[in-house]
Amino acid sequence: KAGVTQTPRYLIKTRGQQVTLSCSPISGHRSVSWYQQTPGQGLQFLFEYFSETQRNKGNFPGRFSGRQFSNSRSEMNVSTLELGDSALYLCASSLTDPRKGLPGNNEQFFGPGTRLTVL
Amino acid sequence: KQEVTQIPAALSVPEGENLVLNCSFTDSAIYNLQWFRQDPGKGLTSLLLIQSSQREQTSGRLNASLDKSSGRSTLYIAASQPGDSATYLCAVLPSGGGADGLTFGKGTHLIIQP
Repeated sequence: KAGVTQTPRYLIKTRGQQVTLSCSPISGHRSVSWYQQTPGQGLQFLFEYFSETQRNKGNFPGRFSGRQFSNSRSEMNVSTLELGDSALYLCASSLTDPRKGLPGNNEQFFGPGTRLTVL
Repeated sequence: KQEVTQIPAALSVPEGENLVLNCSFTDSAIYNLQWFRQDPGKGLTSLLLIQSSQREQTSGRLNASLDKSSGRSTLYIAASQPGDSATYLCAVLPSGGGADGLTFGKGTHLIIQP
């Protein structure tokens, strides 16, 4: 069974541009979450989607947005890029809503990440 | 606001030793706790998941315990090997309305010397 895949793996953009990152969850998984990882702040929660609905959103500005499609694939978009947006963006999937379901069905599995560099 | 702390921040031990990594969290209202490892420049690999009603989980040489009331978890690694070298991250999933996603600690950077 294929794991979580993220595309592209690496991106270089300049300030002011926008970027779209893609995440394909493990087959059958319906929940997708996004995280930003930086050396200074560590891993921080961006948003969580379940059945095409945003369930939670972390403390990030409105420049960060996302969506989930009917096949559970998810995209996140960052507009008007800033230098501080340079980070590893990680996507995670779980079989069910992480706060529900049978024990073991809410384990979250991460993809390899997209490394975004903003110049 | 939930905060997760991992001690020590870094650890270097010779191969073959048993070791314990510590994780503490400030709010006991959690659904579960997960331990991950991260290799340099890579994503996270899930090691163990402990539901809030459980006390421990085991997988091979790894054993994780959870004491929700005291806000503590430990990851025990038996007979360490050089391939265990990585950063180990602890994360809790808060419960309650309007809850965020996983809250992570800053990790323990582990080096196993051959």
